[in-house]
Amino acid sequence: SYELTQPPSVSVSPGQTARITCSADALPKQYAYWYQQKPGQAPVLVIYKDSERPSGIPERFSGSSSGTTVTLTISGVQAEDEADYYCQSADSSGTYPVVFGGGTKLTVL
Amino acid sequence: EVQLVESGGGLVQPGRSLRLSCAASGFTFDDYAMHWVRQAPGKGLEWVSGISWNSGSIGYADSVKGRFTISRDNAKNSLYLQMNSLRAEDTALYYCAKAIGAVWFGEGFDYWGQGTLVTVSS
Repeated sequence: SYELTQPPSVSVSPGQTARITCSADALPKQYAYWYQQKPGQAPVLVIYKDSERPSGIPERFSGSSSGTTVTLTISGVQAEDEADYYCQSADSSGTYPVVFGGGTKLTVL
Repeated sequence: EVQLVESGGGLVQPGRSLRLSCAASGFTFDDYAMHWVRQAPGKGLEWVSGISWNSGSIGYADSVKGRFTISRDNAKNSLYLQMNSLRAEDTALYYCAKAIGAVWFGEGFDYWGQGTLVTVSS
């Protein structure tokens, strides 16, 4: 199987910067996507193609890539950013064309 | 405004079948690939199946291959998931999701429905 590895939880205080990582072998060759999911709600795309931000997503959300790790960065975290965050990508062979990470619970202290 | 509205979920016994539907509006449906993604209670997201804009390319997760069939009707702006031989582990909230592009593999999802709950239990 192919896995995207995320930390189960990240905690930050309001106004600080949160960084959520996602690691996998094929990430240098495959784009990553990030979703935010609040309780009882459907996921929302917050970053696509590693670092692009959809319209309507606040500028404090950014994405970056370095080797086998992609990172979602939330600058100046607000209470409303508390949610689960999932990365999504694919392996390089096509055997696993759509894979989600296990999710990271972001807690705003 | 893009809208995806799922229907067809419910309580079903193990081994039985269920057909989910997703009605799409607010975009040119036949320009985009579509997917089903599920989420078991309290768990993470799991991709189920994807279909290209013209149904020419289809993919399934190993966990549902041979039991589930995805299809679409571009004339009706609708996506479907036929689920056969259902198991307890198929219990989940099933989301319909629009792909960013026309192909279903290697792409992300820019819009999601609110989901329809499937419960497999005797």
